[in-house]
Amino acid sequence: DGGITQSPKYLFRKEGQNVTLSCEQNLNHDAMYWYRQDPGQGLRLIYYSQIVNDFQKGDIAEGYSVSREKKESFPLTVTSAQKNPTAFYLCASSILSASGANVLTFGAGSRLTVL
Amino acid sequence: AQTVTQSQPEMSVQEAETVTLSCTYDTSENNYYLFWYKQPPSRQMILVIRQEAYKQQNATENRFSVNFQKAAKSFSLKISDSQLGDTAMYFCAFIGRDKRDDKIIFGKGTRLHILP
Repeated sequence: DGGITQSPKYLFRKEGQNVTLSCEQNLNHDAMYWYRQDPGQGLRLIYYSQIVNDFQKGDIAEGYSVSREKKESFPLTVTSAQKNPTAFYLCASSILSASGANVLTFGAGSRLTVL
Repeated sequence: AQTVTQSQPEMSVQEAETVTLSCTYDTSENNYYLFWYKQPPSRQMILVIRQEAYKQQNATENRFSVNFQKAAKSFSLKISDSQLGDTAMYFCAFIGRDKRDDKIIFGKGTRLHILP
């Protein structure tokens, strides 16, 4: 079945460590997105990518980094520069259409807790 | 910059009642799409309904319908005959198509409780 796989589902990190969240899709979607979800804050866009080897900053990119070396994969690294990294992270993908809706398909999410 | 505002952090209604969730947005673009996404307790986000700005007819999906008021920049979601399974967070989202930057932004969400 086609879909988006995020791993790990739960991750614990000590302060000062970088961690990488995996996101893989087999939907042949062009675009991929990373959102952060905090209580009362909704979904805030971290980074997104429309094509391999290219990505754009979202509204809260500071302290995060991404890569898009393959169409299927869009890993997110939470660096030690991110001051408050404890959150629920959602990866999504969509077909790209110049004038279309870009409906998002979401992964199940990754919960990161900094100890 | 585009913004999406959901003014109701939390709502509760009795099963079988009708409920309306509010969403307003701000944009200078003429061509865009609006969405409602649902996040149940499992936290798996799913699309509920979408609306293209150029279509005057309000979108409908079974018990879910929208009231799209373009001039007022309002996009409310109506759930008819609510069911216990409708209990979830509901997010309003926007994507502009004039600039084609593919950036999709969300509101802060409304937590909806359907009471038995």
